[in-house]
Amino acid sequence: GAVVSQHPSRVICKSGTSVKIECRSLDFQATTMFWYRQFPKQSLMLMATSNEGSKATYEQGVEKDKFLINHASLTLSTLTVTSAHPEDSSFYICSAILPSGPQETQYFGPGTRLLVL
Amino acid sequence: AQSVTQLGSHVSVSEGALVLLRCNYSSSVPPYLFWYVQYPNQGLQLLLKYTTGATLVKGINGFEAEFKKSETSFHLTKPSAHMSDAAEYFCAVRVGSGNTPLVFGKGTRLSVIA
Repeated sequence: GAVVSQHPSRVICKSGTSVKIECRSLDFQATTMFWYRQFPKQSLMLMATSNEGSKATYEQGVEKDKFLINHASLTLSTLTVTSAHPEDSSFYICSAILPSGPQETQYFGPGTRLLVL
Repeated sequence: AQSVTQLGSHVSVSEGALVLLRCNYSSSVPPYLFWYVQYPNQGLQLLLKYTTGATLVKGINGFEAEFKKSETSFHLTKPSAHMSDAAEYFCAVRVGSGNTPLVFGKGTRLSVIA
């Protein structure tokens, strides 16, 4: 099946610094990727929809200036958490749609665990 | 807007017993329905999905789910639990094309007792 990778798998940073998380579709091109956030023992909440070559669409309540999304190519979307604070600590998961496959299926990355000290 | 309700945040079964994880959805149009499994500190793995056609769908690892439109349900079952089934299970719904995101339930943690 289609493979989506994320890097890094986990990151620890100091409060006030910025962290970039990469999401790559390894064996297919994805015009649309999604970014989700998962707090401990909770479900995944959609943060934004990332479209190649255009601005991301953010869900209500998600600060676009804090969570910068760049989908510069058909295989890479990046999420940058700017000026991170402890409350940003979470599990961030991306997903991508395989264009040539069943339109109903999203493929998820393994997630990135962010800890802000 | 669509929504997903998973009854029971935690389900515990004995090894070899039937697994039943409940999922109800709300949607004004026919939805696409999914079950995902998440092991600790890992991403999501698709177990099975319903799009159209046969309402009983079979997935990986012996799981299956039945779409019941009249009950707006998509419960996940497995005849005999295995220790390796212990994980978090998420039911999800999507309405529309593949470019629309999934809406997830809150998840059900399955524990399997030896």
